[in-house]
Amino acid sequence: EDKVVQSPLSLVVHEGDTVTLNCSYEVTNFRSLLWYKQEKKAPTFLFMLTSSGIEKKSGRLSSILDKKELFSILNITATQTGDSAVYLCAGALGYGGSQGNLIFGKGTKLSVKP
Amino acid sequence: DADVTQTPRNRITKTGKRIMLECSQTKGHDRMYWYRQDPGLGLRLIYYSFDVKDINKGEISDGYSVSRQAQAKFSLSLESAIPNQTALYFCASRDSGANVLTFGAGSRLTVL
Repeated sequence: EDKVVQSPLSLVVHEGDTVTLNCSYEVTNFRSLLWYKQEKKAPTFLFMLTSSGIEKKSGRLSSILDKKELFSILNITATQTGDSAVYLCAGALGYGGSQGNLIFGKGTKLSVKP
Repeated sequence: DADVTQTPRNRITKTGKRIMLECSQTKGHDRMYWYRQDPGLGLRLIYYSFDVKDINKGEISDGYSVSRQAQAKFSLSLESAIPNQTALYFCASRDSGANVLTFGAGSRLTVL
C-alpha cells in the first residue's frame, strides 16, 4: 500500500529557531515528492523534488530528497510567526491510470511563537 | 479571479439531504480531483477525473458521486448526507504533464 508518513505531527518553536520537518514515503514507481504549505485555506505549492541530493531553496525554506532512503526533509531557518501552518508532503505515483496522482501525508502542524 | 473556484464555501445541512459542491477551473487543466480533509488525517482522495469521459474512484468514494460536466467543471455530490461527512472539501486540478496540484479555497460542510 502506498503511504507517506510525516513527523513530527506537531511542533512548537520560537521565532528565530530552525526547524526540520520529515517525510518518508513508500510509493510504487515513485515519480516525485511535493511539499505544500497550508494556512487557514487551500494548500499552496512549495517545492517539487525529483532527483536525489539536489537541494531546492526559496528564501528561508529548503528541501532535499533521498531516493535511496525514501525520505525528504523541509528546513525552515530563522522562523517567523508567518511560517505557522500545516506543512503537507505528498508522493506522486508514476504508473498506470493513477500516474501523477498524489498520496498525501497527514501533515506537520508548525506553530511559531513570538 | 481564483484559478480554481469552489462553491459554496460554507454549507450547513441536515442528515439525509442531498448536497452538491461545485468546482470550476480556468487553468485549462484536464485532470480534476476532489479531496476531503479531516483534522489529523491529511488529504484523502474521493474521486478524480482525467478528462470528461474518465471518472475514477479514490480511496474514500463511498457515499459520494461526481460529475464532470465539462473540462473546466467537476462537481461532487452527497446523495444522502450523514454527520461523518462533516469535513473540509477541496477541489484541485493539474495538467496531465505535471504533478503540481492547484487547489481551490475549500468548501466547509457541516452535516447535523
